[in-house]
Formats: sequence, structure tokens, C-alpha cells
Amino acid sequence: KNEVEQSPQNLTAQEGEFITINCSYSVGISALHWLQQHPGGGIVSLFMLSSGKKKHGRLIATINIQEKHSSLHITASHPRDSAVYICAVDETSGSRLTFGEGTQLTVNP
Amino acid sequence: ETGVTQSPTHLIKTRGQQVTLRCSSQSGHNTVSWYQQALGQGPQFIFQYYREEENGRGNFPPRFSGLQFPNYSSELNVNALELDDSALYLCASSLLGMSAEAFFGQGTRLTVV
Repeated sequence: KNEVEQSPQNLTAQEGEFITINCSYSVGISALHWLQQHPGGGIVSLFMLSSGKKKHGRLIATINIQEKHSSLHITASHPRDSAVYICAVDETSGSRLTFGEGTQLTVNP
Repeated sequence: ETGVTQSPTHLIKTRGQQVTLRCSSQSGHNTVSWYQQALGQGPQFIFQYYREEENGRGNFPPRFSGLQFPNYSSELNVNALELDDSALYLCASSLLGMSAEAFFGQGTRLTVV
């Protein structure tokens, strides 16, 4: 069993839909990261969370430390949101990240 | 743009050869972590360098080695390349010990033939 599990693995949505990607982890963490990866390969950090909720534009990330679960929400999805979204946890405050396998999101116009 | 740059962006090598990948860290960051991402999978931690010393290593053989320089830039060296080493290699710079945001480079796509 992976330490970080994401669901779903693949997600197809229509433009404008509300999207949720889930992440569960099995270890104690100091922080959880949500990252976005486009086909070229580069990774962009979206959020870093250790508690509660963060919002940036149409993106919202929440974390429940007791349940070891986090969600990434995208409101009013757009085709440019199409990418791989990856959840990663930092167990030691040492910036050594353990990654989930990612969720491939495709938003159709 | 994160300020973390990797070179080269793409590379093709023959099995058995050696390769060196380079990463410049974000200004002010003292830690560089290297990750290997096979196709369709999440990145896997290779090792981390902090102030020129290795500071943790994942489940990778000794033929994967690294360096960090006084300006905190870093190299990843892989000897005796194998076909399974074909992957995207990512580096991330951060400040150690602060659960700080990690800034990733664009990656180096290595193909071993």
C-alpha cells in the first residue's frame, strides 16, 4: 500500500464543472503539498497545507489532519486546468516529499 | 517561473554510459532534492543535499550519486545506465527544516537506449 493515495486516477469533466480530487496518506506529516504538472513535465506548486483550508482563485485545498485526508477543489473548471494534479506529503519538515501517483484531469470545452 | 533551472532538458544515452544532470537552486534556498519520475507514475525521491552534504537518500543504488556546490546548485550523476533509468528527473529547491514550499525545475527527460 502506497503511503500517499489519490483518487480518482483519471477524471474527465465538462467546462464549468466543479471538480474534486482526493488524497489520503498513512503517515504523520508536517505538511501536504498540491502540485500541478503539465505535459512538458515541469511541476508547479499550488498549495502547501498543514491545517485547515487555503484558497487561490478558483482552487481550494482542504486538509483534515485527524483523518489524514486532503482534497483539492476546482470551481468553474476550464480546459486550461487540464493537467496532472499530484498530492505529496512532507513527513519530516525536511522538504523530502513522498508523492501520490497523480490524477490526470481533462476538462473538455 | 520558479528560478530553478535544470540542464539539459532532454538527453539520450546508451546503456552502460554515464550521465550528469544539473540543477540551479532558487535564490536563498540551501537544499536541493532530486526525484525520478517514470512514465505514468509519481516522482520518487532519490536524495537530498543540504549545505553540500547528502541529507537523506531514497531506495536508489549507489550508481546514483550527487554533489552540491557552495552556491547550492547541484548535480545528479548516474553511472552504468540501464534502460529502466529512462525517466524525467526533477530537482526541487527549498529551505531545510521549515516545511517550506518546494520550487521545482522543468526536469530533464533522460532516455536510455
